[in-house]
Amino acid sequence: GAGVSQSPSNKVTEKGKDVELRCDPISGHTALYWYRQSLGQGLEFLIYFQGNSAPDKSGLPSDRFSAERTGGSVSTLTIQRTQQEDSAVYLCASSGRQGRKTEAFFGQGTRLTVV
Amino acid sequence: AQKVTQAQTEISVVEKEDVTLDCVYETRDTTYYLFWYKQPPSGELVFLIRRNSFDEQNEISGRYSWNFQKSTSSFNFTITASQVVDSAVYFCALSEEFRSGSRLTFGEGTQLTVNP
Repeated sequence: GAGVSQSPSNKVTEKGKDVELRCDPISGHTALYWYRQSLGQGLEFLIYFQGNSAPDKSGLPSDRFSAERTGGSVSTLTIQRTQQEDSAVYLCASSGRQGRKTEAFFGQGTRLTVV
Repeated sequence: AQKVTQAQTEISVVEKEDVTLDCVYETRDTTYYLFWYKQPPSGELVFLIRRNSFDEQNEISGRYSWNFQKSTSSFNFTITASQVVDSAVYFCALSEEFRSGSRLTFGEGTQLTVNP
């Protein structure tokens, strides 16, 4: 597609339920990132996929969070047993090159509300 | 650890005023990249500029200009003759080499409001 696509755009869930957030990166981009943006806060790195390499999961806040990237394209971020503190906007980004000079292109995010 | 600080949480100006958004960073890398992103109310982050650590030339793009000073670890962003459409949250970011790739470390963002 023309840009990074995320779905759903909004998700309201009950505390304790599992949720799945989806990201479709820009076609051909090898790198994919998930970030979390809490209300009034900056962006917190969660996880990074690069090609077929093992993902960098160092930013995941707890073992309730996991992510997959199938076929080097679409990614799913799963949050199990959601808590109220998980409420945030989850942003996905992709880039076409590896390395520090890479600019990342972001999707519009999924706003997750845990009630 | 690398860090980006945007000391201005919120700035409010009147249309046509010039405004400067500050960004200070910390890194031990000798080679690094700095970025500015804009986040309008729609929520999507829009890439504005990338600057590498070896290029200290200031850059101008229309009403936007960037002042990179390695000696003070700053990468400030100026909007000249601001417009209402410039209202957004602006993020400064630093790219660090990390394992098999890179990741962006973001500042907390500056909420810019341009009033008519």
